[in-house]
Formats: sequence, structure tokens, C-alpha cells
Amino acid sequence: DSGVTQTPKHLITATGQRVTLRCSPRSGDLSVYWYQQSLDQGLQFLIQYYNGEERAKGNILERFSAQQFPDLHSELNLSSLELGDSALYFCASSVYGGGATDTQYFGPGTRLTVL
Amino acid sequence: QKEVEQDPGPLSVPEGAIVSLNCTYSNSAFQYFMWYRQYSRKGPELLMYTYSSGNKEDGRFTAQVDKSSKYISLFIRDSQPSDSATYLCAMSYGNNRLAFGKGNQVVVIP
Repeated sequence: DSGVTQTPKHLITATGQRVTLRCSPRSGDLSVYWYQQSLDQGLQFLIQYYNGEERAKGNILERFSAQQFPDLHSELNLSSLELGDSALYFCASSVYGGGATDTQYFGPGTRLTVL
Repeated sequence: QKEVEQDPGPLSVPEGAIVSLNCTYSNSAFQYFMWYRQYSRKGPELLMYTYSSGNKEDGRFTAQVDKSSKYISLFIRDSQPSDSATYLCAMSYGNNRLAFGKGNQVVVIP
């Protein structure tokens, strides 16, 4: 168990809908990362927050947004969902948010299915 | 061309064999190289990391980096059924933004 929690574990929804995925980082970690894992693209970095502020952006669609709250938990909002958004969404956390030794610990993921 | 290439083919080996996995990359700005292991229905977990060319050993695992060829490898000696998992290479510029390969599913047959 990495100490990172994600809810829900599974989510099934319809095209055009909006969902929110939640992540609680490990105790003491200030940085949260969101990744999307699909068979086609593999594991892709979406966005990073550090202590409440956006630190880096990757291949995140404009329909997606995220935030990190004062208690350091994070939410990833996915809107106008399309079939192609079906994937595993992982949250990871680390202490600092930078540096090779700042290990990212991954949560168990949320499996999103868009029908 | 993707930044990190990892042939995603599955790999089945008998118990005790050596498993050899590799990735290539195109961006010479990558400084840090990692291997993650992902068990079925779990999140990835860091197995090894290195930042210099050469070999790094940790028990039965050896990570190898050749920066001149932009090529990294992971070797698993004396493979065990518990090593059955997907192995992903990952690379970083140092800002902690990771670029992953697609992963290799390894099955170790008892």
C-alpha cells in the first residue's frame, strides 16, 4: 500500500457527462500528479500540483481540469466525456515535486468507463 | 516519434531465467531513468532509478543506462513467479514530470 488513496475505484458514465476523481496524497507529501493510462498511449502525465499551485502541465485536454485543496487532496474533473476518455486514471504524490530522489508514489487508480 | 519507446510485447519465461527489458529514448535532455513495476489492478511502484550511464544493482535487479546510445535496460536474474508484472521504463528531466514507456508484461512460469 503506497499510502495514496483514490476514489472511486470504478466509474461508469455516459458520453457528454462530467465526473470528478479524488486523490488523497501520502501524509507529508506536498505534490500531486495525475496520469492517464490507456492501452493505446500507455501512461501519460496530465498535470502536477505543488502545495495548492499548478506546477506543470502535460497532455491534459481542455475538457479536463484539476485542483489541489488546502488540505492537499486533489480532484481531477473530466467534462464532456467521450468514449476515448475511458482509461485508468492514476494519482501520484511526492514530498517536494522535483528532483530525481523525490519518488512518486502511485495510488491504485480509478477505472473510468464511458459508454 | 514518442519520447520513450518500449516494445510493449508480452514476455513469458520459465522460473529461474534471466528477464531482459529495454527502452530507447530520443530526448537527450532526460537526466534520470527509472523502472516501475505494476502488478495487475495496482498502481506502478518504483523499482529502480539511476541518473548516470553504467550499471546499478539491487538484489536480483540490474538497471543499465547507455546515454550515448539513448538506451536503458533492466535485467532480472533468477526470475520468480512473483516477478510476474508489467514493467515500465520512465524518464525525467529532473522536474519530476515523468515520461513512460508503454510497458512490458512479464510472466514467469513456475
